Amino acid sequence: EAQVTQNPRYLITVTGKKLTVTCSQNMNHEYMSWYRQDPGLGLRQIYYSMNVEVTDKGDVPEGYKVSRKEKRNFPLILESPSPNQTSLYFCASSGILNTEAFFGQGTRLTVV
Amino acid sequence: AQSVAQPEDQVNVAEGNPLTVKCTYSVSGNPYLFWYVQYPNRGLQFLLKYITGDNLVKGSYGFEAEFNKSQTSFHLKKPSALVSDSALYFCAVRDIGAGNMLTFGGGTRLMVKP
Repeated sequence: EAQVTQNPRYLITVTGKKLTVTCSQNMNHEYMSWYRQDPGLGLRQIYYSMNVEVTDKGDVPEGYKVSRKEKRNFPLILESPSPNQTSLYFCASSGILNTEAFFGQGTRLTVV
Repeated sequence: AQSVAQPEDQVNVAEGNPLTVKCTYSVSGNPYLFWYVQYPNRGLQFLLKYITGDNLVKGSYGFEAEFNKSQTSFHLKKPSALVSDSALYFCAVRDIGAGNMLTFGGGTRLMVKP
């Protein structure tokens, strides 16, 4: 089954404690990205990757890092989380052509 | 920069009535437009897309959308709403130059009442 898998689904952490949210896709997609969803703001892009070792900033990259060492994986790293990073996070992937993006189930992060 | 606007935070319709969820966009080149739906505690599911061709696009679950270039709109429609259609709907436009990624509107909550 074609899917994008994120882990964990729920996470509560404390300010400053480094964390990683994993994302993996099994569709051999070139493009992967991370979004955060906040009420009334829709989804905003954090980072995206066009292929292995190629990443770039989205609209709201501050406080986040990513890496793309393998085509299937695109982890999101918060080196020093802060309460304003409390949000619902989605990973997505898509192919080169004008195909739709596939989304993971989401990770609800709370930073206290 | 491209942008998407969904002017209604919430749309209320009665079951069996037609529904419309509005979306307008702004892009510098040709628009690649999408609608996604989000059910509670779920990820986003693809409904339909407009790339080129017919202005009326048909998608999943009986939804369709009408592309109007002169009005820069891409409204989502369904002839007869179901209670199970109640969800959060997002319109999005693709930026080919930014990793094929999507710019989303703020979302519209659709409430279908029995």
